[in-house]
Amino acid sequence: DAGVIQSPRHEVTEMGQEVTLRCKPISGHDYLFWYRQTMMRGLELLIYFNNNVPIDDSGMPEDRFSAKMPNASFSTLKIQPSEPRDSAVYFCASSLLGPLHFGNGTRLTVT
Amino acid sequence: GESVGLHLPTLSVQEGDNSIINCAYSNSASDYFIWYKQESGKGPQFIIDIRSNMDKRQGQRVTVLLNKTVKHLSLQIAATQPGDSAVYFCAENTGNQFYFGTGTSLTVIP
Repeated sequence: DAGVIQSPRHEVTEMGQEVTLRCKPISGHDYLFWYRQTMMRGLELLIYFNNNVPIDDSGMPEDRFSAKMPNASFSTLKIQPSEPRDSAVYFCASSLLGPLHFGNGTRLTVT
Repeated sequence: GESVGLHLPTLSVQEGDNSIINCAYSNSASDYFIWYKQESGKGPQFIIDIRSNMDKRQGQRVTVLLNKTVKHLSLQIAATQPGDSAVYFCAENTGNQFYFGTGTSLTVIP
């Protein structure tokens, strides 16, 4: 079991650029979650999917953020345009009737 | 100016001693609870879970206690080792959503 795989591990970009974060959940898991972690606010839920369908996106900060899950093995989180306050570690997690299993995150720095 | 972040509770223990990390949860309707360990540069890692129909569950060197009356969860680590140094989070599950505490930083002194 390879676990949840996220890419890239680090992303440095300039303000205004588009950023795409990628996630491959554990095979067979039917829930996928995107979280953001900062020193200021800790772990915040952004959005989650069940069977590839977005269920709750109330945690998405604003329209600059969007997430998709085109199939059971892939999800993206896109920020367009990016801003310095988006700098954080973004985690993807998946689950199947149990605990969340997290990837190792993407550390995003927007300058 | 000085940045203000979450005030992370800290716990320092001597290697070989037992550690107890506490967590207060907020929603009396939560029916599933999980403890995670997060090491620097990594994602939170599952340690142990417990459902609301239980008040104690044991794993390898770890025990979780649940007190629903006061909405309190604790993680006990026996014979703490340097590799246990990390930030520990509790999470409560309500419906299909997981809500995380702010975390406790555990430092093991060799």
